[in-house]
Amino acid sequence: GIQVEQSPPDLILQEGANSTLRCNFSDSVNNLQWFHQNPWGQLINLFYIPSGTKQNGRLSATTVATERYSLLYISSSQTTDSGVYFCAVDPGTASKLTFGTGTRLQVTL
Amino acid sequence: GAGVSQTPSNKVTEKGKYVELRCDPISGHTALYWYRQSLGQGPEFLIYFQGTGAADDSGLPNDRFFAVRPEGSVSTLKIQRTERGDSAVYLCASSLGGTTEAFFGQGTRLTVV
Repeated sequence: GIQVEQSPPDLILQEGANSTLRCNFSDSVNNLQWFHQNPWGQLINLFYIPSGTKQNGRLSATTVATERYSLLYISSSQTTDSGVYFCAVDPGTASKLTFGTGTRLQVTL
Repeated sequence: GAGVSQTPSNKVTEKGKYVELRCDPISGHTALYWYRQSLGQGPEFLIYFQGTGAADDSGLPNDRFFAVRPEGSVSTLKIQRTERGDSAVYLCASSLGGTTEAFFGQGTRLTVV
């Protein structure tokens, strides 16, 4: 099946700093989603982005489908950004998402 | 409803008992998915329904696990003869179908003692 790798595995930032999270995948995809899992375990949708660039407030994402990677940018980080960020992909032949191992982000004051 | 709803939020059961976990998807979503998340891991696929039928159950770990969606809306994940290794958070998601955006419920934390 498709392989999904995320980097870095862990990230500690001071409030106000910017960061870039990366997701590499091993095959072409029809669906790619970024999620934020908050400390209570809820998976919150950030972006549905099988290709192209999207922005939502302080967050933006870019997927370069031909090169099989996606990037999530967090600007001016806040303590509420803490949690685990997951990238999940669906190659389109499976109609199910395969998740990466996540990036655990901690934003400190 | 406004989002995917899962009940109960927490379930503690004794080894060997039977449990049922419920998922109420977003209204109008024809696709429904069950995932399982162990501590420190990403969610792992269990089963996918399109309408009433299980289109893909390749992720179910063994025949103790079974899921139904009799009317194409609410789904129930059923686990027989629970084992301590079944302890995890069980997540349900729904989407409009195909490769469209999936939305997750808050999960059911199952603890087998």
